[in-house]
Amino acid sequence: DTAVSQTPKYLVTQMGNDKSIKCEQNLGHDTMYWYKQDSKKFLKIMFSYNNKELIINETVPNRFSPKSPDKAHLNLHINSLELGDSAVYFCASSPGGIYRGRYEQYFGPGTRLTVT
Amino acid sequence: QQQVKQSPQSLIVQKGGISIINCAYENTAFDYFPWYQQFPGKGPALLIAIRPDVSEKKEGRFTISFNKSAKQFSLHIMDSQPGDSATYFCAASRSGNTGKLIFGQGTTLQVKP
Repeated sequence: DTAVSQTPKYLVTQMGNDKSIKCEQNLGHDTMYWYKQDSKKFLKIMFSYNNKELIINETVPNRFSPKSPDKAHLNLHINSLELGDSAVYFCASSPGGIYRGRYEQYFGPGTRLTVT
Repeated sequence: QQQVKQSPQSLIVQKGGISIINCAYENTAFDYFPWYQQFPGKGPALLIAIRPDVSEKKEGRFTISFNKSAKQFSLHIMDSQPGDSATYFCAASRSGNTGKLIFGQGTTLQVKP
């Protein structure tokens, strides 16, 4: 009964490859997020979807493309991977702050991406 | 204006002591201030959160103190235990927005037995 799950947990790939990370939440939340945590543990928002609609799109290279097939799923596809993309990527979900007044976010276990 | 500054970067406390982590923000529109706890290899977990209409919130051994005029808030961990050893992040968000959290830089806490 995992609340927010991500696959895979580890991803090792070579520069130039294309890869995807998948996220699913079973909390019934409307809003989902992608965060990047760098080697210094700094957490930065990348994208957010509310009920399949993109609502946050930070300054992220357009090699990164999120997709939300439904409100329980949010995937992250990365094209032409670079060394600097190596990080831990976290998915998170929240009830849907602007609609329900609740802002708490629940994070998945993370996907450690290593680009060689 | 979007920054949240957190200090110290690392903290070592003896078992039973009080751990204090501080955060400061600039954007006065922020009105939701959570703290997250992250263990190695795990995702951040919401620990406790406060809104600026109260100056303090306590949950068990964890207390948030909030100073609106100074634009500062802090996390106090009373009777710190070795199991509290983790990285702690403060964050801030603005109502009516997208729920976007701005995180502090994180504090690595080590509680020595």
